[in-house]
Amino acid sequence: DAGVIQSPRHEVTEMGQEVTLRCKPISGHNSLFWYRQTMMRGLELLIYFNNNVPIDDSGMPEDRFSAKMPNASFSTLKIQPSEPRDSAVYFCASSPSSYNSPLHFGNGTRLTVT
Amino acid sequence: KQEVTQIPAALSVPEGENLVLNCSFTDSAIYNLQWFRQDPGKGLTSLLLIQSSQREQTSGRLNASLDKSSGRSTLYIAASQPGDSATYLCAVYQGAQKLVFGQGTRLTINP
Repeated sequence: DAGVIQSPRHEVTEMGQEVTLRCKPISGHNSLFWYRQTMMRGLELLIYFNNNVPIDDSGMPEDRFSAKMPNASFSTLKIQPSEPRDSAVYFCASSPSSYNSPLHFGNGTRLTVT
Repeated sequence: KQEVTQIPAALSVPEGENLVLNCSFTDSAIYNLQWFRQDPGKGLTSLLLIQSSQREQTSGRLNASLDKSSGRSTLYIAASQPGDSATYLCAVYQGAQKLVFGQGTRLTINP
């Protein structure tokens, strides 16, 4: 079990550039989550998918953010255009489709927008 | 709107002590509660999951309790070790698989 794999680990970009974060969930997990962590706001759920279908994207801050899950083993979170206030650590997590299964997190992508 | 609070925000204790971390939530209609550990620069690791029908869960030196009616959970760590130093977060399943997190307690165990 390789765990949830995120790439890149660190991303530094200039304001206005497009940023794409990637996630590979644990094989067999049907639910995938994108979280953002900042000192001020803690961990916030951005969007989650069940069986590759977006279920709730109410946490996506603006239209500049979009997420896709084209298949069961891959998801992307895109920010276009990026802004300095998007700087944060972005986590992907996966779990079996059950309320009583623990969530498994990746190591996160630290995004810095200058 | 569900709010999760963890007190204290930071805690420093000498090695070997038993300690308790606290978590409170405002809406008792939860599916379950999870305790996580986060090491610097890392993701979160699930420690314990307590279902809404349960009162406690144990794993090694860790014991988590849940009192839904009062909106409280505690994480008890026995015989603390320097390797226990990390940030501990609790999170409740609000529904539809949405986890609401507390801000965490940063724990330091001094050798």
